[in-house]
Amino acid sequence: AQKVTQAQTEISVVEKEDVTLDCVYETRDTTYYLFWYKQPPSGELVFLIRRNSFDEQNEISGRYSWNFQKSTSSFNFTITASQVVDSAVYFCALSERGTSYGKLTFGQGTILTVHP
Amino acid sequence: KAGVTQTPRYLIKTRGQQVTLSCSPISGHRSVSWYQQTPGQGLQFLFEYFSETQRNKGNFPGRFSGRQFSNSRSEMNVSTLELGDSALYLCASKVGGDGGQYFGPGTRLTVT
Repeated sequence: AQKVTQAQTEISVVEKEDVTLDCVYETRDTTYYLFWYKQPPSGELVFLIRRNSFDEQNEISGRYSWNFQKSTSSFNFTITASQVVDSAVYFCALSERGTSYGKLTFGQGTILTVHP
Repeated sequence: KAGVTQTPRYLIKTRGQQVTLSCSPISGHRSVSWYQQTPGQGLQFLFEYFSETQRNKGNFPGRFSGRQFSNSRSEMNVSTLELGDSALYLCASKVGGDGGQYFGPGTRLTVT
């Protein structure tokens, strides 16, 4: 069965610090996607990044970067030079080809607080 | 393009009643998924509809049901409401295939 684990329940940083959110996943499917979503206090889940299981190339998009390692089943997400507006709950999620990618399995979320 | 819309945004119901929530996907998206979010259980998958057919189902009791119309709009229904059904219900849509899911603002249901 699929499972996503975010070990960090809460992280608190001061503005301009870099912060890394950890995510570990389990799946029996060989083809899958991994996601990071952000949920601000308004409640709406905002899509941030997506990575498929065949592409381990790590990338940077603005202040966001991610590190995908299949060998350790990890998909970590880094925010560089954090800002107060980054304060939110961040969710890592997994979808599998076996469900036609129609089902997302979420981690428990990491509450990020960025202090000015 | 307009995003995913959900109505109503807030709802208060009494135990034993039933409720219907509505979701309009992004234009051109054929898949609609529903999720329940509670402080204790986190984000849990309810079901997914694609081309008016339920394609995936989560581990929820039969009181939770849904449907999808020919224009891809979807509704979910919860019958015989229980206090534990109080939650934020989120709907997400995607084009199909391996497209990413985009979420609506949610419906916050309170059962008293």
